[in-house]
Amino acid sequence: GAVVSQHPSRVICKSGTSVKIECRSLDFQATTMFWYRQFPKQSLMLMATSNEGSKATYEQGVEKDKFLINHASLTLSTLTVTSAHPEDSSFYICSARVPGVGELFFGEGSRLTVL
Amino acid sequence: AQSVAQPEDQVNVAEGNPLTVKCTYSVSGNPYLFWYVQYPNRGLQFLLKYITGDNLVKGSYGFEAEFNKSQTSFHLKKPSALVSDSALYFCAVSGATNKLIFGTGTLLAVQP
Repeated sequence: GAVVSQHPSRVICKSGTSVKIECRSLDFQATTMFWYRQFPKQSLMLMATSNEGSKATYEQGVEKDKFLINHASLTLSTLTVTSAHPEDSSFYICSARVPGVGELFFGEGSRLTVL
Repeated sequence: AQSVAQPEDQVNVAEGNPLTVKCTYSVSGNPYLFWYVQYPNRGLQFLLKYITGDNLVKGSYGFEAEFNKSQTSFHLKKPSALVSDSALYFCAVSGATNKLIFGTGTLLAVQP
């Protein structure tokens, strides 16, 4: 099946620094990728839809300036958490839909811990 | 607005017994329904989907789900549970908006 790769799987950073998470589609081209956030023992919350070559579409309540999304190519989307704070600590998961196929394929997730 | 409800936070079942994880949905238009499984500190793995066609859908690892339009349900089932099936299961729906919305998840615990 289609593979979506996420990197890094775990990252620890100091408060005030920025962290970049990469999401790659390894064997297909993804014009659209999705970024989710998952709190402990909770469901996935859709943060934004990443569109190749254009601006991301953010869900209500998600800070655009805090969570910068760039989708520069058909196989790569990045999420940058800017000026991270402890409350940004979470599990971030990206996903992509193979063209013509209904289901989303997910990356392995990135665990962010902000000290 | 589209939504998904998983009424059970946890389901406990003995190994070898049948299991059911419940899911109901609300969506405008025809629903696209999915089940995913998540193991600790991992991403989600696709199990099965209903787009159109037969109401009974068969998926990975022996799981199946039945689409019931009148009850707006899409319960996940397996005839004989394995200890290795213990994980967090998410039901999801996609409608006219093309966004995938997830339920709150159900923790399945299979006892040996």
